[in-house]
Amino acid sequence: GENVEQHPSTLSVQEGDSAVIKCTYSDSASNYFPWYKQELGKRPQLIIDIRSNVGEKKDQRIAVTLNKTAKHFSLHITETQPEDSAVYFCAASFHTGTASKLTFGTGTRLQVTL
Amino acid sequence: GAVVSQHPSWVICKSGTSVKIECRSLDFQATTMFWYRQFPKQSLMLMATSNEGSKATYEQGVEKDKFLINHASLTLSTLTVTSAHPEDSSFYICSLGRGGNEQFFGPGTRLTVL
Repeated sequence: GENVEQHPSTLSVQEGDSAVIKCTYSDSASNYFPWYKQELGKRPQLIIDIRSNVGEKKDQRIAVTLNKTAKHFSLHITETQPEDSAVYFCAASFHTGTASKLTFGTGTRLQVTL
Repeated sequence: GAVVSQHPSWVICKSGTSVKIECRSLDFQATTMFWYRQFPKQSLMLMATSNEGSKATYEQGVEKDKFLINHASLTLSTLTVTSAHPEDSSFYICSLGRGGNEQFFGPGTRLTVL
């Protein structure tokens, strides 16, 4: 089955700096890679996703890059703000036509300090 | 998107009792729902895939006789934790897919077993 590794486990940045979180996956058939932000006691919130036919996607301060050959993808947050502090999870899935099973990374706790 | 609710949002029970958690799709008929478990400071782990009108598919290591899943309608899936023990204390989250890759998560249920 799919295995997703995520680094770093914790990340502390100063407000205004950039944050980068990296993930690798094992199943070359995976074709969908979402990123989630989770605050304590809340549900995961989709912040950006990318499909295997795209190498990069950007949404305001958030961007994701995908390298299918190396089987890794990264989340980039620019101009970080205190409200960006949360746990971030990457995930990978393979769409079978009816539904896709998500395999999550281990999570990164991002702390944005003033 | 899709609106997903869970009930209860939190529950405390005595060891040995059973607890039922409901996951409802409020605006979409979901043929497939997923159940995840998240221990403190850990990632989301898929427990099972719930298919309407058929038996659930459990992930390796998840006891199907302990975690009973029923998906009797297109808008409701239930997870029953039977004979709960303190090690079952966790955050249980359901999600549904709409035929594409994206999953829509419920708000989660915090289970504490005394």
